[in-house]
Order: sequence, then C-alpha cells, then structure tokens
Amino acid sequence: SQKIEQNSEALNIQEGKTATLTCNYTNYSPAYLQWYRQDPGRGPVFLLLIRENEKEKRKERLKVTFDTTLKQSLFHITASQPADSATYLCALGGSNDYKLSFGAGTTVTVRA
Amino acid sequence: GAGVSQSPRYKVAKRGQDVALRCDPISGHVSLFWYQQALGQGPEFLTYFQNEAQLDKSGLPSDRFFAERPEGSVSTLKIQRTQQEDSAVYLCASRRDQGAYNEQFFGPGTRLTVL
Repeated sequence: SQKIEQNSEALNIQEGKTATLTCNYTNYSPAYLQWYRQDPGRGPVFLLLIRENEKEKRKERLKVTFDTTLKQSLFHITASQPADSATYLCALGGSNDYKLSFGAGTTVTVRA
Repeated sequence: GAGVSQSPRYKVAKRGQDVALRCDPISGHVSLFWYQQALGQGPEFLTYFQNEAQLDKSGLPSDRFFAERPEGSVSTLKIQRTQQEDSAVYLCASRRDQGAYNEQFFGPGTRLTVL
C-alpha cells in the first residue's frame, strides 16, 4: 500500500534561517503534490501545488521541488519568521483522482 | 468571502450515542470531502461528494458512519453508536469543481471526544 513519510521529528530553527522539510512516498505515482499549512485548532490551508512534470515551484519565501525518480518533494521556507511556526502537510493526488493522501506533517518552530 | 464552516466545533459524546456533524461548504463549490484526523497524524480521507452524489465512501471506517449532502450544499456526517476509537477531529473540505488539481478549502474541524 502507498506510504507517505515526512520528517519524523519536529524542526526548530532560528529566525532568518531556511527550513527544509521532506516528503517521501512509496508505492505511488502521483500526478501532483500539494503542501498545506495547519495551525493548532484549525483546518489545513493550501500553500502550493507542483505537478509531476515540474521540478520546482516558488511562491514568495516558499520553494517546492519534486523529484519523481527519488519519489521525494522538498519544501523550503526561506528567511523564516516566527509567524511561520506551524505544522506543514504534504498531500499527493492522481490526475483522475479526486482525493488527497496526506503525510503526518512536520511541525516547525521558528525562534525569534 | 465566507470560508468553510463546521458545527459544532467541539462535541463530547458518551459511548453508544449518535452524533451528527455539519459542514457548510463555500457557496457554489461542487466537491465536498470529509476527513478524519487523529492526533499527530495527517487527515485521512473518509468520503467524497460531487454535488449531491456520494461518489466515494471507501474511507468510512464502518457502517456506523454515514454521510449525506441531499441538496448539493450542506453536508452532514453521522456516526451511530459512537466508540472511543471514533475520537478525532473531523474535517470538511470543499473544492470549486471536480478538477483533481484544484486546492481544497478546509473548515476548522469538529473535535469529537467519545467517553
């Protein structure tokens, strides 16, 4: 069965540094990958989508890469700020598949 | 504009009680999803509606779980004879259309605690 793994441990970084999160998957060939942010007590909020034929996507201080050979996506938050502290979820989907399969998430804490 | 809303935000039920969780999606959104999120885990797919049609209920854990969206807008997730293992956050999400690549908009969730 398919498996999606994100950083097993929480990430604690200093303000201004770059946070790098990983999302690895097995037994799946997704057509796209989405990243969401989730704050405590709230639902996930969409951040970025990257398709299987795209290597990299950027949005403001966020950058996502997608390597279908390694079956891995990397999510970078550059010039991190305390307001970036949250749990980040990766989610995989197929081109004809309406549903998303989520990883367990990585909790990021940015220290001032 | 208004986002996805869910009610109640918190629900405590005694084991064996029935509960009903409501989701108000973004107006005009065709697709509606229910997910279950256990503590420290990502959301797990439960069921999917396209307008009023329930196209996939493969994620529902047992026949005690039932979902409906009779008029293609508001949806209700019902859990009969609740068990302790049903304790989780239930998230509802809507999407503008059935296009797989489009983002999903999530509600705040209903935290269900079964005693």
